[in-house]
Amino acid sequence: AQSVAQPEDQVNVAEGNPLTVKCTYSVSGNPYLFWYVQYPNRGLQFLLKYITGDNLVKGSYGFEAEFNKSQTSFHLKKPSALVSDSALYFCAVRDYGYSTLTFGKGTMLLVSP
Amino acid sequence: DTEVTQTPKHLVMGMTNKKSLKCEQHMGHRAMYWYKQKAKKPPELMFVYSYEKLSINESVPSRFSPECPNSSLLNLHLHALQPEDSALYLCASSLTSGSYNEQFFGPGTRLTVL
Repeated sequence: AQSVAQPEDQVNVAEGNPLTVKCTYSVSGNPYLFWYVQYPNRGLQFLLKYITGDNLVKGSYGFEAEFNKSQTSFHLKKPSALVSDSALYFCAVRDYGYSTLTFGKGTMLLVSP
Repeated sequence: DTEVTQTPKHLVMGMTNKKSLKCEQHMGHRAMYWYKQKAKKPPELMFVYSYEKLSINESVPSRFSPECPNSSLLNLHLHALQPEDSALYLCASSLTSGSYNEQFFGPGTRLTVL
């Protein structure tokens, strides 16, 4: 079975400060991990993914994520938050050979001016 | 072309109506998906098509009927829906249904069932 947890319903950060959105996962094999962002009344936009290799993955709009196998985590980070980063963020996992993507419950990121 | 398009953007229908949602991609992707999403919740997978064949049906009620006429098009036919079916319906595509492929989502159709 595969599962993913996003422990925070909401993260608040001031513009210009670094941000972290947390994600932990559980799989029986090798994980494929994804981050998506959803703006109000829009579809999901792909940000980045971890397949294998370098534990630090860089993605769109200045976001990056760090894969930590020992802690089964894949936290999303950005060095300097923008007000326009305010949105709903979903972490997702897919076990090797597994046919479906499992999403976390989502974390609302609010960046204040 | 790197996007997934969905029509219509909004749909209001009565419980006895028949309507269809349409999804299109021209990225050469061979896997296409339908998801249902309630407000502030994660998307819930409904159907997966791989190489134009239905590969996954997540026990979706028969009032939802998917169709994949060709590799670029995906339809969702709706009939006799219930008010609780009101949601954002998202279409997505990926290069193949392989585990490592990211999915690209369309903007969704906001469905209201009266």
